[in-house]
Amino acid sequence: QVQLVQSGAEVKEPGATVKVSCKASGYTFTTYYMYWVRQAPGQGLEWMGIINLSGGSTTYAQKFQGRVTMTRDTSTSTVYMELSSLRCEDTAVYYCARRAAGGNRMDVWGQGTTVTVSS
Amino acid sequence: DIVMTQSPDSLAVSLGERATLNCKSSQSILHSSNNKNYLAWYQHKPGQPPKLLIYWASIRESGVPDRFSGSASGTDFTLTISSLQAEDVAVYYCQQYYSYPQTFGQGTKLEIK
Repeated sequence: QVQLVQSGAEVKEPGATVKVSCKASGYTFTTYYMYWVRQAPGQGLEWMGIINLSGGSTTYAQKFQGRVTMTRDTSTSTVYMELSSLRCEDTAVYYCARRAAGGNRMDVWGQGTTVTVSS
Repeated sequence: DIVMTQSPDSLAVSLGERATLNCKSSQSILHSSNNKNYLAWYQHKPGQPPKLLIYWASIRESGVPDRFSGSASGTDFTLTISSLQAEDVAVYYCQQYYSYPQTFGQGTKLEIK
């Protein structure tokens, strides 16, 4: 079945960089796009960006421009989201989510990765 | 950016009763090329990832119970649960996927009365 499995929880100090992975299975990896969405404690869902899994092109939310990098490894069907210059406000659960075929909605989600930024 | 505003922030409904959740976009998210509203609804339970319920404003995702339905009128969108079940307790988000950055509403927390 279609599945997205994310890497485990991370604890980072302010100013550090975190890299979260999302391994896809059960479908043809390169025919889809992948989103990253986060949810800070007590807050709603926030769209971070999207990566084309075929060509690797990306679009990021303005808020994260310069700090976020989304990449993919087609040999392992894995997507990565790297966020640098971490601040306490980046403490959140980070989700990868597949863009559905034929539309921009998010039809399959990873289980989420908790990133805690604390000194 | 397109702002999505949901109402109410929280809602308590008795089991078996109807729940109506609202979402309003700050501008049209109807694409002229296909006459579709680029709007989705997600259900989010604690400790789980969000789950897609409705897309194109009114199309139910495969496997979603038919008590869930979506409708649209201009820039106003509604998610209706016809007969609330205990397992429907969750936060519900609307999302526009018409343009980048895609944006979500702030969520409506649905509880049992």
